Amino acid sequence: DAKTTQPNSMESNEEEPVHLPCNHSTISGTDYIHWYRQLPSQGPEYVIHGLTSNVNNRMASLAIAEDRKSSTLILHRATLRDAAVYYCILRVRVGETSGSRLTFGEGTQLTVNP
Amino acid sequence: EAQVTQNPRYLITVTGKKLTVTCSQNMNHEYMSWYRQDPGLGLRQIYYSMNVEVTDKGDVPEGYKVSRKEKRNFPLILESPSPNQTSLYFCASSFEPGPTYEQYFGPGTRLTVT
Repeated sequence: DAKTTQPNSMESNEEEPVHLPCNHSTISGTDYIHWYRQLPSQGPEYVIHGLTSNVNNRMASLAIAEDRKSSTLILHRATLRDAAVYYCILRVRVGETSGSRLTFGEGTQLTVNP
Repeated sequence: EAQVTQNPRYLITVTGKKLTVTCSQNMNHEYMSWYRQDPGLGLRQIYYSMNVEVTDKGDVPEGYKVSRKEKRNFPLILESPSPNQTSLYFCASSFEPGPTYEQYFGPGTRLTVT
């Protein structure tokens, strides 16, 4: 599977924007970029995904570089509840009939200061 | 409310005593899977199921069994648990395994095998 690289940790202040970077230089043309987050003591939670164009939803925005070798998850106004581990994942289909696994790395631990 | 439920949430057992962790989803999802999460190793897929009566191995299937007799349920069975299966387990589901669909995760089951 193509690999992603994220900083181990980042800090932000409450109500400020947060830009979480992800490098995926070996991405292939059909790989989707997904972001999940895991709040303390909870299961991972889907945040957003995209292929080529920038994407927005109620939780965040995803900015994808033109060459697709990197992307940035943007939280427009961080809250204390956004403190979590954020995972950048490339979604590939494993064969024609088998499942598409999520390959989680170590992610970025986001700390939000009050 | 759309959700994935797991039971039990916490379990302490002894080596060799068979156990089952249940997983149920109420979203009529075709695809379900099990992951385990260990420090430094991230989340790794154990088994997945494309539909009723269709299951296949993930990355770390040894020591585990699954079944998919009904669409909503996907139990994880440890026939003879060992201490190296002490971990945090997550069940996940989605409409289909393709890369355009997000996966929904359960709250997790923390298993300790002594």
